[in-house]
Amino acid sequence: SQKIEQNSEALNIQEGKTATLTCNYTNYSPAYLQWYRQDPGRGPVFLLLIRENEKEKRKERLKVTFDTTLKQSLFHITASQPADSATYLCALRVSGGYNKLIFGAGTRLAVHP
Amino acid sequence: DGGITQSPKYLFRKEGQNVTLSCEQNLNHDAMYWYRQDPGQGLRLIYYSQIVNDFQKGDIAEGYSVSREKKESFPLTVTSAQKNPTAFYLCASSIGGSAGGNTIYFGEGSWLTVV
Repeated sequence: SQKIEQNSEALNIQEGKTATLTCNYTNYSPAYLQWYRQDPGRGPVFLLLIRENEKEKRKERLKVTFDTTLKQSLFHITASQPADSATYLCALRVSGGYNKLIFGAGTRLAVHP
Repeated sequence: DGGITQSPKYLFRKEGQNVTLSCEQNLNHDAMYWYRQDPGQGLRLIYYSQIVNDFQKGDIAEGYSVSREKKESFPLTVTSAQKNPTAFYLCASSIGGSAGGNTIYFGEGSWLTVV
């Protein structure tokens, strides 16, 4: 069956460290993968998009990698800050027909001072 | 400011009632979407519309209905046929219908609770 998995356990890290979040998928051939940030009780906000032929994408303190062989994307936040605390969602765009997004359940990140 | 406005933020529904969630966007986007979010689960697509006067069922359309009479508006009706409607509902839009290649912009969500 098709699955997209993110670690359901919260990730707790110290301020200044690098946070690494994982998104694994099975039985999909995504054309794109996106990462969103969601704060409690609010809508997700788009952060980064990476295409299947790209290995890495950076935006300020954010870095995303995409390994289609491992079927995995890693999302890194360097020099993390308490303001980075939120839930981070990954989403796959599946090819063929209507190109809709499939969302993971998200991983909650807590950055402690 | 441009964006997506959902209303109401909180809504309570009695058993057997239909309720309608409003979604308005001023981003001039062609495509609009409704997602449902439950604790511990990913967002699930209810309905989507790629253009005015056209919409398609998503993965969990049963018990829901939509209309797209205007480009900027995509209201969602939760009918009495939806047996477990308590959830967080998110409206979204994108420039084109190819959701993955374009950024999806989300509204602030609406909480629906059955009482």
